[in-house]
Amino acid sequence: AIRMTQSPSSLSASTGDRVTITCRASQDISTYLAWYQQKPGKAPKLLIYAASTLQSGVPSRFSGSGSGTDFTLTISCLQSEDFATYYCQQYNTYPPLTFGGGTKVEIK
Amino acid sequence: EVQLLESGGGLVQPGGSLRLSCAVSQFTFRSYAMSWVRQAPGRGLEWVSGISGSGDNTYYADSVKGRFTISRDNSKNTLYVQMNSLRVEDTAIYYCTKNGPSLQVLNSFDYWGQGVLVTVSS
Repeated sequence: AIRMTQSPSSLSASTGDRVTITCRASQDISTYLAWYQQKPGKAPKLLIYAASTLQSGVPSRFSGSGSGTDFTLTISCLQSEDFATYYCQQYNTYPPLTFGGGTKVEIK
Repeated sequence: EVQLLESGGGLVQPGGSLRLSCAVSQFTFRSYAMSWVRQAPGRGLEWVSGISGSGDNTYYADSVKGRFTISRDNSKNTLYVQMNSLRVEDTAIYYCTKNGPSLQVLNSFDYWGQGVLVTVSS
């Protein structure tokens, strides 16, 4: 199974900050990578797929980049509603589809 | 608006069985693969099982293979998972998800249900 490793596991930031989360795959997954946002008590929400394509309705302050094994999610100007946990997911190989361990973005 | 509504969760003893259902609306159900993803309390996301749009192809995580069976009824726009021989470690919120946005089976999950809690405990 392809292992997805996210870093950091948590971070503290202030509104207006630029935030970067990294996801590393244990083998080449091309651009078959998605990012999700999950708020407490809610289902995850798809933010980005194909490594860099913004899902419809997602604010443009979210962006994704990378290919192969190294990927990045960037929030250009953190808003109060962005405090949440973020997960990456690979869909290059099935089964299984695998998620990263998550990155919790907290208020500084 | 796309909707996915899970039901069937609850408390079950170890070794017991449970069937979850997911009723969907506002998209062409038969065209899309579907999956179940779970989240143990305080933990991350784990893909459990997937099924092609026709239902001909099914996929399972090693942790549930041989115990869980995914199925779908395209005439009723409903996804199912039959869970047998349940273990304490199967305790989680189970989410029904639509594979998308493309029609490929290998995909991200563009829509999620609200989740249903399954608790396995004596």
